[in-house]
Amino acid sequence: DAKTTQPPSMDCAEGRAANLPCNHSTISGNEYVYWYRQIHSQGPQYIIHGLKNNETNEMASLIITEDRKSSTLILPHATLRDTAVYYCIVRVVGGSNYKLTFGKGTLLTVNP
Amino acid sequence: DTGVSQDPRHKITKRGQNVTFRCDPISEHNRLYWYRQTLGQGPEFLTYFQNEAQLEKSRLLSDRFSAERPKGSFSTLEIQRTEQGDSAMYLCASSSTDQGGGYTFGSGTRLTVV
Repeated sequence: DAKTTQPPSMDCAEGRAANLPCNHSTISGNEYVYWYRQIHSQGPQYIIHGLKNNETNEMASLIITEDRKSSTLILPHATLRDTAVYYCIVRVVGGSNYKLTFGKGTLLTVNP
Repeated sequence: DTGVSQDPRHKITKRGQNVTFRCDPISEHNRLYWYRQTLGQGPEFLTYFQNEAQLEKSRLLSDRFSAERPKGSFSTLEIQRTEQGDSAMYLCASSSTDQGGGYTFGSGTRLTVV
């Protein structure tokens, strides 16, 4: 079972920031937080990951709370092409820990 | 390199027929994964290869399913005696030895069993 909880759906206006929350209250100290997204009829796409520090790349920012029990994925200027299902996943990196356990994710709809 | 390629993109088959899907991972990736996704659900892990060795199979992978990765390059997933419950999107992903980066997924093969 997925160790994360996400809202089933969210809406966002084009050009505005999209803030997608994820609850992972049972996260272990060595588990990273990963975000993937899946645009309709495509495979999941890796977005970003982090352990405890906030992370930013060309796609998004990841904010992890100090207690690491929740995180927020931020798309700073959402476009219509960002409409997708966003998955938050926790996993240990390295060794035999290779499985990604997906939940149902959050369907983000970006409206014009 | 254009990423992970899967073939075919769509497959419609009659119940009881055998089907085979192919995945070509990113060439320098030694790890390869198969996932299955049904409508409205997130992808579920099926099996994992490191090079040519199949190191884990999910309980979802019944005896009718078999996967291979000869020579540690492309992989095939075969389903024998297909059932309607096998209708799903079959996704392949690859990665290099785990240093924490993300996995690269293909666009999947959508199987419809009629």
